[in-house]
Amino acid sequence: DIQMTQSPSVLSASVGDRVTLSCKASQNINKNLDWYQQKLGEAPKLLIYFTNNLQTGIPSRFSGSGSGTDYTLTISSLQPEDVATYYCYQYNSGNTFGAGTKLELK
Amino acid sequence: EVQLVESGGGLVQPGRSLKLSCAASGFTFSNYYMAWVRQAPKKGLEWVATISTSGSRTYYPDSVKGRFTISRDNAKSSLYLQMNSLKSEDTATYYCARRRDYYSGLYYFDYWGQGVMVTVSS
Repeated sequence: DIQMTQSPSVLSASVGDRVTLSCKASQNINKNLDWYQQKLGEAPKLLIYFTNNLQTGIPSRFSGSGSGTDYTLTISSLQPEDVATYYCYQYNSGNTFGAGTKLELK
Repeated sequence: EVQLVESGGGLVQPGRSLKLSCAASGFTFSNYYMAWVRQAPKKGLEWVATISTSGSRTYYPDSVKGRFTISRDNAKSSLYLQMNSLKSEDTATYYCARRRDYYSGLYYFDYWGQGVMVTVSS
């Protein structure tokens, strides 16, 4: 089974900061990776699909990149409403979510 | 407007069964693969099951294979999850999700229900 390791597990940042979240797969997942945002008490929400494609309605400050085993989600200028837990998800082989990165305001 | 509404959760004893339902509306249900994803309290997300458009193909992780059965009724625009031999580790919020397949082998979950809580405890 493919393991997905997200880092850091908790990230504190200030409004306006550029934030980078990491997701590392245990083997090549061929960019078959999506990112989901989950705010407290809510269902997950799709942000990015197939590594770098922004879902309709998602602010352009969110972007994704990566290949092979290493992937990142970047928020170019952190906003208060971005406080949430972010999960990567691979479906190249099986279906695996990462453990999540909890993003907090400093 | 796409809506997914789960129901059927509750408290159940270990070893017993429970069936979850997800009522879909606002889209042509029979055109989409559907899935269940769960989240244990204060934990991350875990994929639980996926079903093809016709229901002929189903997929599960090892953690629930042989105990859980996903099914659908396209005439009723409804998705189900039959959970048997429940264990304490099955305690979680269960989400119904629509899977959008946009290219060969590529997909994402674009709509999610609000979730339903299942507690397995004696």
